[in-house]
Amino acid sequence: SQTIHQWPATLVQPVGSPLSLECTVEGTSNPNLYWYRQAAGRGLQLLFYSVGIGQISSEVPQNLSASRPQDRQFILSSKKLLLSDSGFYLCACHIPGTSEAFFGQGTRLTVV
Amino acid sequence: AQKITQTQPGMFVQEKEAVTLDCTYDTSDPSYGLFWYKQPSSGEMIFLIYQGSYDQQNATEGRYSLNFQKARKSANLVISASQLGDSAMYFCAMRDFGAGGFKTIFGAGTRLFVKA
Repeated sequence: SQTIHQWPATLVQPVGSPLSLECTVEGTSNPNLYWYRQAAGRGLQLLFYSVGIGQISSEVPQNLSASRPQDRQFILSSKKLLLSDSGFYLCACHIPGTSEAFFGQGTRLTVV
Repeated sequence: AQKITQTQPGMFVQEKEAVTLDCTYDTSDPSYGLFWYKQPSSGEMIFLIYQGSYDQQNATEGRYSLNFQKARKSANLVISASQLGDSAMYFCAMRDFGAGGFKTIFGAGTRLFVKA
């Protein structure tokens, strides 16, 4: 079965600093990969999704970007963090043709 | 466009009683899937139950059942015999398979409090 590794679990970064969150998937190939953000006490907002290496679709224009350098690696980045980037970031994986989406443990980002 | 609505920000239920969490959705795609996830305070997302748009019967998984009313576009989650460990956020989600099944969108969530 597939496993999603997401790190770090917690991150505190100053405003204006860069960001790199990494998500890797084990136990499957050619997954669809997703980055979601959850603001405190709120639902999940889809940020990016990818159906293959180098293929990124953005749902919400913002100062974040995503990359997929390898089939099972999905990276969320920012050149300069804003206070509004604080939140809980979740990476998710979906195997085409199946029903369930699996989530990583999440990264709690606080921008100060 | 896809849309998921959860109108109950918070719900209280007495331990051992049943509770229904509401979810309505909107999509123009005839082929879609509906999901419920549980998010405890630790933050992880736990898959609970799935219902396909063409499934004839309502999905059930242990104490969880999905009350699927296609004409009303509702997919309510029923938790029977509530336990203290059921206290968490619950999210309804939908994926349109006709659009390549790429995007899963989530509702705003319902926080469930189980009272002893």
